[in-house]
Amino acid sequence: EIVLTQSPGTLSLSPGERATLSCRASQSVSSSYLAWYQQKPGQAPRLLIYGASSRATGIPDRFSGSGSGTDFTLTISRLEPEDFAVYYCQQYGSSPGFGQGTKVEIK
Amino acid sequence: QLQLQESGPGLVKPSETLSLTCTVSGGSISSSSYYWGWIRQPPGKGLEWIGSIYYSGSTYYNPSLKSRVTISVDTSKNQFSLKLSSVTAADTAVYYCARPPSGYSSGYDAFDIWGQGTMVTVSS
Repeated sequence: EIVLTQSPGTLSLSPGERATLSCRASQSVSSSYLAWYQQKPGQAPRLLIYGASSRATGIPDRFSGSGSGTDFTLTISRLEPEDFAVYYCQQYGSSPGFGQGTKVEIK
Repeated sequence: QLQLQESGPGLVKPSETLSLTCTVSGGSISSSSYYWGWIRQPPGKGLEWIGSIYYSGSTYYNPSLKSRVTISVDTSKNQFSLKLSSVTAADTAVYYCARPPSGYSSGYDAFDIWGQGTMVTVSS
């Protein structure tokens, strides 16, 4: 079982700032099968990134994903008010699992 | 536009079987090469993949839940279903059904299209 550890737990930033979220896997994620989701209270998760770096349909280009092996990053270049939410990473190269989440909150 | 909708009892007694159905509209389960998945989220906690099914009936399950989970598909109704047996309070969660993004689907997938989720509480 691959365990995903996200850091930090909470990120306090202001609109317009850059957000950098980390996801570290306990073993290498095959073929970079790593996804990122955004979730707001009371809503289903929204897929942002899959294949480590491919944006899902309709996702603004301020969201970007990078990384390979065991270390992956989600970057939000300039935070918009609607970007404050919880973000999860997920690996799906083997039996899928999710990280515990990073909350991006308004500073 | 493809939509998924979960349905089923919101309250299940401990030791009983939780049963949920996901109805797909705006597209056919059997005309597309996707595995359709179930994911759950306990209140205030993170996400857990439960399992996925192909329209042919091929399934993949989370090893930690495999002994209690059955996922099935009814192509005539354009639905797939989840059964989780011997439930406890730890199974209290919002249950989502979902579909991978367009392209290759292996059974181990990311999920692009989600239902709104249905809250299931396990309590006597």
